[in-house]
Amino acid sequence: NAGVTQTPKFQVLKTGQSMTLQCAQDMNHEYMSWYRQDPGMGLRLIHYSVGAGITDQGEVPNGYNVSRSTTEDFPLRLLSAAPSQTSVYFCASSYSRQGRAYGYTFGSGTRLTVV
Amino acid sequence: GESVGLHLPTLSVQEGDNSIINCAYSNSASDYFIWYKQESGKGPQFIIDIRSNMDKRQGQRVTVLLNKTVKHLSLQIAATQPGDSAVYFCAETPMFSGGYNKLIFGAGTRLAVHP
Repeated sequence: NAGVTQTPKFQVLKTGQSMTLQCAQDMNHEYMSWYRQDPGMGLRLIHYSVGAGITDQGEVPNGYNVSRSTTEDFPLRLLSAAPSQTSVYFCASSYSRQGRAYGYTFGSGTRLTVV
Repeated sequence: GESVGLHLPTLSVQEGDNSIINCAYSNSASDYFIWYKQESGKGPQFIIDIRSNMDKRQGQRVTVLLNKTVKHLSLQIAATQPGDSAVYFCAETPMFSGGYNKLIFGAGTRLAVHP
């Protein structure tokens, strides 16, 4: 049981480049989300999805796009990388019970550096 | 605004002692709380959760206490071991009717266990 798998683990980008961070879960969870973690801080929500074909913005969505074509996958796209996007990115999945998310499970993270 | 804060940014304890990590939350509408452990280079790992209809919940060597009157949460770790050294986050989820109830994280407390 792999849980939540993120790739790549490390990435260095030049300013202006684009890339996609991959996230896959094998727990059949309805909800998936992306968080970023900056040094000395807690995680902040970027985007989330409550099911295939449904996505919405979190508190720090600017510069990122997401899509959810399947239950298992939730990629995060950086359109034009900026140094301010240097961070560690975590994907999480959670199951739904009575309309709420529980059992948040996190991946091991992608450490992104934009130079 | 919504926030989850921690009183002690760093906690140093002797191996075998009990540890108490505290957390204050500001959103009185939050009704579900989670403690996470994060080791260096890894994603947050679920420790224990508690719903607002409970005051206390116990797991293996860990206990979470919830005081809704003063909006305070604590994590107690019994017989602290070197493997408990990590950053601990509390997270809250505001009650939300339908959709995704996001996690709101605090900045974290570093627990250092000395032999």
